[in-house]
Amino acid sequence: DAGVIQSPRHEVTEMGQEVTLRCKPISGHDYLFWYRQTMMRGLELLIYFNNNVPIDDSGMPEDRFSAKMPNASFSTLKIQPSEPRDSAVYFCASSFRPLNTEAFFGQGTRLTVV
Amino acid sequence: GENVEQHPSTLSVQEGDSAVIKCTYSDSASNYFPWYKQELGKRPQLIIDIRSNVGEKKDQRIAVTLNKTAKHFSLHITETQPEDSAVYFCAARIRPSPLAGGTSYGKLTFGQGTILTVHP
Repeated sequence: DAGVIQSPRHEVTEMGQEVTLRCKPISGHDYLFWYRQTMMRGLELLIYFNNNVPIDDSGMPEDRFSAKMPNASFSTLKIQPSEPRDSAVYFCASSFRPLNTEAFFGQGTRLTVV
Repeated sequence: GENVEQHPSTLSVQEGDSAVIKCTYSDSASNYFPWYKQELGKRPQLIIDIRSNVGEKKDQRIAVTLNKTAKHFSLHITETQPEDSAVYFCAARIRPSPLAGGTSYGKLTFGQGTILTVHP
């Protein structure tokens, strides 16, 4: 398996534009997590899914953020409209429930909103 | 919900010294405690983990201890080397079963991170 795959790796957009980040978890993993990383706040959990169902979205900053998981192999995190304070690295991670073992991270998407 | 506190935020040691990073968690439903290392510009990667039925685990120069009663766990790195320099994150994971983990079953929460610098 190629691991968790995120796209794009880098995204630069203007304030007010819609941004969509994508994630493909490891095949067979039933948990998918979205994290945002900044120097000030570290690794913040935004939302996570189990078997494609959102379990806890209490970390989503505001209504401008939304996430979906239409099937077991794909998830999106959307920001609309984007703001400069959304600039961060966004990580997706997946894990396999029955073993309750490590979460594997994707390489992240570095988002810059200007 | 789960809250994970990590200290210190920065740690500077001389090569060969030991480094200790401490974390506390709040949710007694957590039963899995991984530690991740993140090098500059890269993704976090697991270096060691421990489950709630174990008090200590060691892997070469790295060890982790867990005190369930006090809800805290620690990472110990001995004989530090310059390549150990990185950001280290602790995490706590709530049991993945809906029956045992409540409404946030399976939730994985990270501490704020520790920047470790090992000076040659």
